[in-house]
Amino acid sequence: EDQVTQSPEALRLQEGESSSLNCSYTVSGLRGLFWYRQDPGKGPEFLFTLYSAGEEKEKERLKATLTKKESFLHITAPKPEDSATYLCAVQAGVASGSARQLTFGSGTQLTVLP
Amino acid sequence: GAGVSQSPSNKVTEKGKDVELRCDPISGHTALYWYRQSLGQGLEFLIYFQGNSAPDKSGLPSDRFSAERTGGSVSTLTIQRTQQEDSAVYLCASSSDRGKTQYFGPGTRLLVL
Repeated sequence: EDQVTQSPEALRLQEGESSSLNCSYTVSGLRGLFWYRQDPGKGPEFLFTLYSAGEEKEKERLKATLTKKESFLHITAPKPEDSATYLCAVQAGVASGSARQLTFGSGTQLTVLP
Repeated sequence: GAGVSQSPSNKVTEKGKDVELRCDPISGHTALYWYRQSLGQGLEFLIYFQGNSAPDKSGLPSDRFSAERTGGSVSTLTIQRTQQEDSAVYLCASSSDRGKTQYFGPGTRLLVL
């Protein structure tokens, strides 16, 4: 069974204080690892897809990295508008015809204080 | 361009009533997914549609849940004889193909009293 564990559950940072969020996973053949951002009362907003160990992607203050067992979302010099819940999800590379649905972690709730 | 839209945004119903939730995917996206997000739980997969193929219903929690997709576009999720444990946010996502990035709608917040 595919599993995704995110840590910490909640993180409070001062504006400008860089940190990292962790996503550990076990999956039957990783097809892709996805990061989403979710604001209160809204649906998840796509951030990154990572496909293989060693891959990195960046967008503004965010950088996602991937190893064979975990992914990190690094936040550099965060601003209050980066406050949100960050969700990690994996997609298994099972036999053709499968749904390729996402298995999500419980998320990390990030609060950036001004 | 327009993203995934869902309606209603909020729904309050009484236990035992039936509800219908609607999803309009991104134009041209052939794959459509329904997920459920409960308080304290992660998102859980419910059902998947790909083009005109038979849906993958492996995530539906009970036979009170059903869904259809008409004309390969709009989808409706129906919950019959709602129970209080059905209270959750129901999210729809679409992708250009089953292995591609899924884009989510804003969700329907369902409260069963």
